[in-house]
Amino acid sequence: DQQVKQNSPSLSVQEGRISILNCDYTNSMFDYFLWYKKYPAEGPTFLISISSIKDKNEDGRFTVFLNKSAKHLSLHIVPSQPGDSAVYFCAASARGSSNTGKLIFGQGTTLQVKP
Amino acid sequence: DTGVSQDPRHKITKRGQNVTFRCDPISEHNRLYWYRQTLGQGPEFLTYFQNEAQLEKSRLLSDRFSAERPKGSFSTLEIQRTEQGDSAMYLCASSLAFGEPAEKLFFGSGTQLSVL
Repeated sequence: DQQVKQNSPSLSVQEGRISILNCDYTNSMFDYFLWYKKYPAEGPTFLISISSIKDKNEDGRFTVFLNKSAKHLSLHIVPSQPGDSAVYFCAASARGSSNTGKLIFGQGTTLQVKP
Repeated sequence: DTGVSQDPRHKITKRGQNVTFRCDPISEHNRLYWYRQTLGQGPEFLTYFQNEAQLEKSRLLSDRFSAERPKGSFSTLEIQRTEQGDSAMYLCASSLAFGEPAEKLFFGSGTQLSVL
């Protein structure tokens, strides 16, 4: 069972426009969410995170929105740049009483930003 | 600090052979994780260590897989009697248990295993 789902395998946007990447989860125990970015031949790198006590977190051009009732989060990139072209993974953690750092990842969305 | 390093980058082996991968985490990180990624999927958790103690293993990890972190520094992942279904990218990551969110993992570039 896929507890974290990214239903769009790919997304293409024009440079300077907004990129919106979506992620859905099913496990109500998830209380911490992250986005990772992955370039070819490299491991994933941390991008931004959000705790379930918030509904928005912003870091420069990147904003993550969390809708707990819908079990949905999204990553907004504004403005998009060609260097943002990569695979983006959504990940979730159930911290609970034991903060293991164990992550459940979605399948990834490949973002292409066209100059 | 050079980040998380993994060795080898690529490994081709024949079915039935044993393979061993090494991971060197960021030096001050006390947590170390192994993940596996197949084409078109996100990384799947396999196991993690806090210092030298292996605290959790995924149900995905069959008895053919064993991981060690003998001195709380580098780690090895061994796969015995490899099968074609073991072909995947094996990713190592490390993090701090305290201070930073433990979920902020720093990944290595991975070891790509191909079982023929």
